[in-house]
Amino acid sequence: DTEVTQTPKHLVMGMTNKKSLKCEQHMGHRAMYWYKQKAKKPPELMFVYSYEKLSINESVPSRFSPECPNSSLLNLHLHALQPEDSALYLCASSQVGGPTDTQYFGPGTRLTVL
Amino acid sequence: GQSLEQPSEVTAVEGAIVQINCTYQTSGFYGLSWYQQHDGGAPTFLSYNALDGLEETGRFSSFLSRSDSYGYLLLQELQMKDSASYFCAVRDTGGYQKVTFGTGTKLQVIP
Repeated sequence: DTEVTQTPKHLVMGMTNKKSLKCEQHMGHRAMYWYKQKAKKPPELMFVYSYEKLSINESVPSRFSPECPNSSLLNLHLHALQPEDSALYLCASSQVGGPTDTQYFGPGTRLTVL
Repeated sequence: GQSLEQPSEVTAVEGAIVQINCTYQTSGFYGLSWYQQHDGGAPTFLSYNALDGLEETGRFSSFLSRSDSYGYLLLQELQMKDSASYFCAVRDTGGYQKVTFGTGTKLQVIP
């Protein structure tokens, strides 16, 4: 199984709402990632978890709060977002130090902030 | 930090060969990866070069020259379904799994 799943597929939220994005993989990967992607732009790394510990936070605003409850799950908690946070949020996973450096991406959550 | 530049758009004819370049300035990386992303879809892994030289995977080949700070993805026998965005990417040698993607190239295959 080389699938990364993400829920929900689409999310519309107001600036005062609290919501969460979820990501799951069962490939035994111990590195998991959150990316933000705007239209016609490359994915931008937000957070990396390695062995369930946060190893990279790319200076992401605190209104985004990641969580890695176990080696298969990754959440992104959203609170008081701004309209400019509207984007495609991608989750990915990979081996730590794998030979081919392959990341497996989920289908993404398309977020709209009103 | 890492900076990877790609041409923004490339157009090629079905059945032809196209090369997508990636020039980079980095502080050290393990290897160069390539990903394909169709509109509305997720990036999917295509190829990886850990060492200099050519790697071939079916219709796709990828090349890396560390001395020239340059790599490319070569797509042969182009098909309409190859119309997509293509990204090069590197992982820092500084550890902690940091990955940086290139600026991306939108490939349009025309009949």
